[in-house]
Amino acid sequence: AQSVTQLGSHVSVSEGALVLLRCNYSSSVPPYLFWYVQYPNQGLQLLLKYTSAATLVKGINGFEAEFKKSETSFHLTKPSAHMSDAAEYFCAVSEGGSQGNLIFGKGTKLSVKP
Amino acid sequence: DTAVSQTPKYLVTQMGNDKSIKCEQNLGHDTMYWYKQDSKKFLKIMFSYNNKELIINETVPNRFSPKSPDKAHLNLHINSLELGDSAVYFCASSQEAPDTDTQYFGPGTRLTVL
Repeated sequence: AQSVTQLGSHVSVSEGALVLLRCNYSSSVPPYLFWYVQYPNQGLQLLLKYTSAATLVKGINGFEAEFKKSETSFHLTKPSAHMSDAAEYFCAVSEGGSQGNLIFGKGTKLSVKP
Repeated sequence: DTAVSQTPKYLVTQMGNDKSIKCEQNLGHDTMYWYKQDSKKFLKIMFSYNNKELIINETVPNRFSPKSPDKAHLNLHINSLELGDSAVYFCASSQEAPDTDTQYFGPGTRLTVL
């Protein structure tokens, strides 16, 4: 069975500092991996996805994530945090195919201090 | 030109009532989903529909029933509402190959059962 673990339910960084949000997955088949962001009182927006192409994936708003099979990880990073990055971030895994079923992690709330 | 829309945005109702949440997507996607996000922000899939066929049905009480009048709509009907049904419900959609796994989410419907 697939699962996703996000380490740290709450991460706080200073504006301009590096953002690192951790995600580990388990899957019996090569996974498709996603990061979604949820701003307060809004729906989920896709940040980036990995679908077995390049292991370093670049997304919107300056975020990127690296797929590391040996570590079963897909951590999300951004070199310099901005106040507008404060939100809830969700990592998700799918086995792929037309019956894709997204399994979400429990989310990490990112706070950005001025 | 909202891609995935849901109505209503907020729904407050009494225990025992029957209610519906509507979802529409104008992306031409073939698969639509319903997710439940609980008070701890945990997201879990409830249903998905592909070409009017239910293809995923997690352990959801049969008080919940998805209804798809056409490919662009997947409504969620809930009978005999209970306190534990209070949550945010998200609709999502995805397309056929080659991008079957990227799901686009609606803004959510916050259901409060009193």
